[in-house]
Amino acid sequence: SQQGEEDPQALSIQEGENATMNCSYKTSINNLQWYRQNSGRGLVHLILIRSNEREKHSGRLRVTLDTSKKSSSLLITASRAADTASYFCAPSSGSARQLTFGSGTQLTVLP
Amino acid sequence: DVKVTQSSRYLVKRTGEKVFLECVQDMDHENMFWYRQDPGLGLRLIYFSYDVKMKEKGDIPEGYSVSREKKERFSLILESASTNQTSMYLCASSRAGGADTQYFGPGTRLTVL
Repeated sequence: SQQGEEDPQALSIQEGENATMNCSYKTSINNLQWYRQNSGRGLVHLILIRSNEREKHSGRLRVTLDTSKKSSSLLITASRAADTASYFCAPSSGSARQLTFGSGTQLTVLP
Repeated sequence: DVKVTQSSRYLVKRTGEKVFLECVQDMDHENMFWYRQDPGLGLRLIYFSYDVKMKEKGDIPEGYSVSREKKERFSLILESASTNQTSMYLCASSRAGGADTQYFGPGTRLTVL
């Protein structure tokens, strides 16, 4: 499995603003997933985007995928204090069952 | 909803003790995983299993073993706990096949004194 690298490592914004975080990976993928982790808790799956998709929405979340640049972005619109969490991307390729997670982006939304 | 439960949220053990961390999932998932998470290092895969009695080493298996006697239960064993195994341990499960969505438990924060 391959690891995604999230950027930036930390992001601090005001409530109501949009938050964008990025993920880069090295080799071609089947799909890429985004997860959220609230402090001291397990990860929660947010969205999965397949290699033949360019954009996907789920509520206030928008994920884009650019396979030519080997990168993905997660946009959270109209952020809330409850969005404060770490966000991880997990690209997957081949037949691997496991995912490899990076260090994540720590998002802080200030009230 | 998929539910993944872990036996303890917090655990304190002494150096040299044998430690069992239990994970149970209720969605008949074939794949189960154990990770540890440390500040600045992200999640690291310790072991995973894709079937009963099957196990595969992850990236950091040293000092750990696992047991999967039943499909719904995956145990992580620290044969002789050491202080450098103080960490957050996360269990996850997923359906068979390629890298499908993983469902995580709440985590066990283990402190080894």
